[in-house]
Amino acid sequence: GQNIDQPTEMTATEGAIVQINCTYQTSGFNGLFWYQQHAGEAPTFLSYNVLDGLEEKGRFSSFLSRSKGYSYLLLKELQMKDSASYLCAVLDSNYQLIWGAGTKLIIKP
Amino acid sequence: DGGITQSPKYLFRKEGQNVTLSCEQNLNHDAMYWYRQDPGQGLRLIYYSQIVNDFQKGDIAEGYSVSREKKESFPLTVTSAQKNPTAFYLCASAPPGTHTGELFFGEGSRLTVL
Repeated sequence: GQNIDQPTEMTATEGAIVQINCTYQTSGFNGLFWYQQHAGEAPTFLSYNVLDGLEEKGRFSSFLSRSKGYSYLLLKELQMKDSASYLCAVLDSNYQLIWGAGTKLIIKP
Repeated sequence: DGGITQSPKYLFRKEGQNVTLSCEQNLNHDAMYWYRQDPGQGLRLIYYSQIVNDFQKGDIAEGYSVSREKKESFPLTVTSAQKNPTAFYLCASAPPGTHTGELFFGEGSRLTVL
């Protein structure tokens, strides 16, 4: 079966750095996506990786290793507004998105 | 402003009733999707449509129905056959010519069965 694993919850301090990991086992791979979802709201797209390496976008960066089936989302200079769930999703060989359950990130002052 | 509009935001239903959730987009996107989100689980695909007058079942289509008569609209009906309909429902669309993983979501509809 297809599987995406992320930690259920993480806690970090305002101004610090946090890394949210995602491992996947899917039938084929056509890209990995990170979304941010505030409580009770819709997910919003953060990043896309299809080749190995690091993609940087402001305070957020996303890394991919296809050989290891592994990605992480790195958030720097954390702000209170970064408190949200972060969803990892993989596009499989049929171009269908397979979603992880999400990681709830709690930011403390 | 362009975007996706879902309505209603909150809906209560008695057991045995059908309900229809509206999803309208003015982004000129061809592809539209319906997902269900339950606590502790990833988004699960109910139905999707790549073009007007055509739609495909997702992973959990049983107890749901859709139509795609217009490009802008993709309503979802939750029928009485859906055994556990209480959930957060998300509609999304994707622009043409992309890698089909960058989705634009509506604000969601929270359905509660009493």
